[in-house]
Amino acid sequence: AQSVTQPDIHITVSEGASLELRCNYSYGATPYLFWYVQSPGQGLQLLLKYFSGDTLVQGIKGFEAEFKRSQSSFNLRKPSVHWSDAAEYFCAGEVGSGAGSYQLTFGKGTKLSVIP
Amino acid sequence: EAGVVQSPRYKIIEKKQPVAFWCNPISGHNTLYWYRQNLGQGPELLIRYENEEAVDDSQLPKDRFSAERLKGVDSTLKIQPAELGDSAVYLCASSYQRGGETQYFGPGTRLLVL
Repeated sequence: AQSVTQPDIHITVSEGASLELRCNYSYGATPYLFWYVQSPGQGLQLLLKYFSGDTLVQGIKGFEAEFKRSQSSFNLRKPSVHWSDAAEYFCAGEVGSGAGSYQLTFGKGTKLSVIP
Repeated sequence: EAGVVQSPRYKIIEKKQPVAFWCNPISGHNTLYWYRQNLGQGPELLIRYENEEAVDDSQLPKDRFSAERLKGVDSTLKIQPAELGDSAVYLCASSYQRGGETQYFGPGTRLLVL
């Protein structure tokens, strides 16, 4: 079955420290991969996406993610976290079916807390 | 450009009552999605529209949930009657087309069923 797994439910980092949020996927084919961020009471905002090509993807707000086929991973990174980065982060994957249907499957999310 | 608009933002109802959510997608987006997000979970797709046609509603509990997208623009999601387990955030998203396109999400409607 197609799935996206985010192993960490909650992560706490100090402001200015580096960040890595983990995401693993399980698909029969290489999926399109996305990272979204959700602030309290808000909808989801796209940070970055991977379709093909360069495995290191740059996104908004200083985030980047690296696609590693051998590890079935798409981890999100940021070199220096700001207090405003505190939010919930969702990894999602999408792959077409034989009928051409695409469905975005989300992980359960990782809540990021930032200590001043 | 304006984002995805949803209303109401919050709704509190008693069980067995009906409730409806409205979504206006980004102009020009042909594909519209309704998701349900339970507490502590990622969003799960309920239904997807291509223009006015519902093309994926396999996850929609059809005994109590219904949706429509008249004229291929705005959409309404209805629950009748609501159950306690329907308490969740209902998110609407839109994209230019299906298949790898970025989905843009609205702020959601937070439903509490008492």
